[in-house]
Amino acid sequence: GQQLNQSPQSMFIQEGEDVSMNCTSSSIFNTWLWYKQDPGEGPVLLIALYKAGELTSNGRLTAQFGITRKDSFLNISASIPSDVGIYFCAGQRSNAGNMLTFGGGTRLMVKP
Amino acid sequence: DGGITQSPKYLFRKEGQNVTLSCEQNLNHDAMYWYRQDPGQGLRLIYYSQIVNDFQKGDIAEGYSVSREKKESFPLTVTSAQKNPTAFYLCASSRGYGGSTDTQYFGPGTRLTVL
Repeated sequence: GQQLNQSPQSMFIQEGEDVSMNCTSSSIFNTWLWYKQDPGEGPVLLIALYKAGELTSNGRLTAQFGITRKDSFLNISASIPSDVGIYFCAGQRSNAGNMLTFGGGTRLMVKP
Repeated sequence: DGGITQSPKYLFRKEGQNVTLSCEQNLNHDAMYWYRQDPGQGLRLIYYSQIVNDFQKGDIAEGYSVSREKKESFPLTVTSAQKNPTAFYLCASSRGYGGSTDTQYFGPGTRLTVL
């Protein structure tokens, strides 16, 4: 199945820095989701975006649904050590049985 | 607590044996899903079920089987026909009504290792 193009694949940053990652697709999605996965655990939903152009925040996290409906980005401000993990984007089409298409993930490492 | 549980957390299997992974949810969700995750990779859909007694193949169903006899339960069997079964297996569920806000929530995962 199709995978979304997620970048960067990994990031190694200093605590306190801001982080930005994005996902792009050749196809349109109705919903964009961002999940975080800690090592050995299941992904946890961070932010859900339902409308093109929508900008949504969750604490230090901000995500946007691209106006073309083919991309989304996630920003993390003032990173802290517990931000470490793998971040996945996922696109969802309502005419595809709610199936999710996942990006390959961005592995974030934060140096204290 | 409401949520999705998967057991066991770690599972070891000898080559050639079938093994069944458990997934239970008490969220009253209609839809349930199984994904496979390999190191450094995203999630790939194995099977999904949108209602009891019905399920559909995902992108990588070969070598796997499922059943959905109860709304709360969606067990996955990894058969000996699966060529490379060592992976992290994730179960998810959603309300399943088909709208664009039908979000999937994930269980903690089962790590299967074939010896």
